Amino acid sequence: QKEVEQDPGPLSVPEGAIVSLNCTYSNSAFQYFMWYRQYSRKGPELLMYTYSSGNKEDGRFTAQVDKSSKYISLFIRDSQPSDSATYLCAMSVTGANSKLTFGKGITLSVRP
Amino acid sequence: DTEVTQTPKHLVMGMTNKKSLKCEQHMGHRAMYWYKQKAKKPPELMFVYSYEKLSINESVPSRFSPECPNSSLLNLHLHALQPEDSALYLCASSHEDAGGEKLFFGSGTQLSVL
Repeated sequence: QKEVEQDPGPLSVPEGAIVSLNCTYSNSAFQYFMWYRQYSRKGPELLMYTYSSGNKEDGRFTAQVDKSSKYISLFIRDSQPSDSATYLCAMSVTGANSKLTFGKGITLSVRP
Repeated sequence: DTEVTQTPKHLVMGMTNKKSLKCEQHMGHRAMYWYKQKAKKPPELMFVYSYEKLSINESVPSRFSPECPNSSLLNLHLHALQPEDSALYLCASSHEDAGGEKLFFGSGTQLSVL
């Protein structure tokens, strides 16, 4: 079992749709959870950052972490064509030399 | 300024060439990273520098040689690469090399080895 599982998609939705992206993980020591957005031929950009369980909202984006189920989600409301990108979940444990573990990434396409 | 600058943006090199990738950040971050990313795959960690000292080497072949001249600069020296080394090479930085740090990535160097 991989440490982090993410449905590779791709995912295509119409403009204005609510998008739900998910990752599951097996390492219960993960404490920090992130979502990165990567446009084609660009580096990943940190979109959302959450410590431990709970929800975090930033504009149209909401990140949820459920540590009891080892499940994290990213919701995008009122999706826009500019949201078309690859979304990577990432997580890490506490401590020095703790590497970031990425999911495989899912490519989202928002149709006008 | 949350920018990590990488040069060049594109690089084509032969298997006998020597080239260098450069990365610069002015956020006062003390940890810098090199990642390799193949198409449709997540980034793979190669090296981590913490306070200008190499702290992680993910068993990367010796044809890749990192260098951290100072706290703002990170280089990756390339020599005798193979075609399978063609990939997007990403530099990143964070405040410290510790769990939970937010990584800021550059736009990458798209490398093609012929």
